[in-house]
Amino acid sequence: NAGVTQTPKFQVLKTGQSMTLQCAQDMNHNSMYWYRQDPGMGLRLIYYSASEGTTDKGEVPNGYNVSRLNKREFSLRLESAAPSQTSVYFCASSPISYNEQFFGPGTRLTVL
Amino acid sequence: DQQVKQNSPSLSVQEGRISILNCDYTNSMFDYFLWYKKYPAEGPTFLISISSIKDKNEDGRFTVFLNKSAKHLSLHIVPSQPGDSAVYFCAATGTYKYIFGTGTRLKVLA
Repeated sequence: NAGVTQTPKFQVLKTGQSMTLQCAQDMNHNSMYWYRQDPGMGLRLIYYSASEGTTDKGEVPNGYNVSRLNKREFSLRLESAAPSQTSVYFCASSPISYNEQFFGPGTRLTVL
Repeated sequence: DQQVKQNSPSLSVQEGRISILNCDYTNSMFDYFLWYKKYPAEGPTFLISISSIKDKNEDGRFTVFLNKSAKHLSLHIVPSQPGDSAVYFCAATGTYKYIFGTGTRLKVLA
């Protein structure tokens, strides 16, 4: 039982490059989330998927797209990376709403 | 507009004493609150939660208090241990969206 896994762990991009961050959970959870953590800003919600087949914007969705590929997988795409997207990205899942979230180990992304 | 605020960026406490971490929120629609603990280079891990129908919830050394009229919650850790040294985030939700505070770094001194 791996919980929530994220790939890659580290990534360096040049401005304008694109990439997809992968997230998978093996707990049969319905809801999945993407956050970014910046110094002094806490965790900010980028996008979430309440259930398979649905996605919604969070607090800071600009510059990102998401895909809920199936119940297990929720990916985050940066189409044209910008230095402002340098951050640590966390994926999380929860069984339903009003429940604790389980977080992955994070992806540290640097955009030059 | 920060809906969940943790006004103390850091806190130092002696081992064995009580640690009190505070969190304020502005949105009256929030009705479920959580505390997470985060070590460096790891994802946050869930500690304890409380529903708005309660004003207190305990789990071992951790107790969360909720004051709805003041829109304030606090996490008490008794007794504090060096292994509790971490960043603590409070979070609030009223739907599927969880809004996190900026975190408080707790240092427990041996």
